[in-house]
Amino acid sequence: DAGVTQSPTHLIKTRGQQVTLRCSPKSGHDTVSWYQQALGQGPQFIFQYYEEEERQRGNFPDRFSGHQFPNYSSELNVNALLLGDSALYLCASSLYPGAGTEAFFGQGTRLTVV
Amino acid sequence: AQSVAQPEDQVNVAEGNPLTVKCTYSVSGNPYLFWYVQYPNRGLQFLLKYITGDNLVKGSYGFEAEFNKSQTSFHLKKPSALVSDSALYFCAVRDSPMDTGRRALTFGSGTRLQVQP
Repeated sequence: DAGVTQSPTHLIKTRGQQVTLRCSPKSGHDTVSWYQQALGQGPQFIFQYYEEEERQRGNFPDRFSGHQFPNYSSELNVNALLLGDSALYLCASSLYPGAGTEAFFGQGTRLTVV
Repeated sequence: AQSVAQPEDQVNVAEGNPLTVKCTYSVSGNPYLFWYVQYPNRGLQFLLKYITGDNLVKGSYGFEAEFNKSQTSFHLKKPSALVSDSALYFCAVRDSPMDTGRRALTFGSGTRLQVQP
């Protein structure tokens, strides 16, 4: 049973560029959440998708957008990249609406903005 | 708003000794609490959770955690530490299940556990 898979593993982009990160959830999961983990910090919630709609959003600017596909996979898009966007981006899948259900995380995409 | 505090940036313990990693939380409703572990250049791996019931929760790899409502704490423990337990540990909270609009996990800043041989 494949867990959460993310691609690519590493990415280097230039300031001002746009980036797309991809996530496939764990088999049987229908909800995908994205988190940003800056170096030395805990993960920060970006947004969550269920039934192809954004259900909840954290304190991130509109430059961060996402999408969920009918097969539950998801993309995170970041426009007009800033140096401060350099971080590990984590995708987590779970079952909605189970608040008590643990989220399973992918290995992350390390984004470096230069 | 929900929040989590991990007061120790690093915990050092000798192999074979018991370990404790501290976590306190703040939520408006009933808390759902989680512990995750992160190894270098990896994602987060689920260890255990508290939903309701027994205050002592047992999880993976011999870890357990004690929920204390009066102290709003959820400390992670292990009776006998292994060198391989050295990693970054995160406590997380999710707020009341009655609010279906709020599903995000709020994480603490993490505690680095170093187990010396």
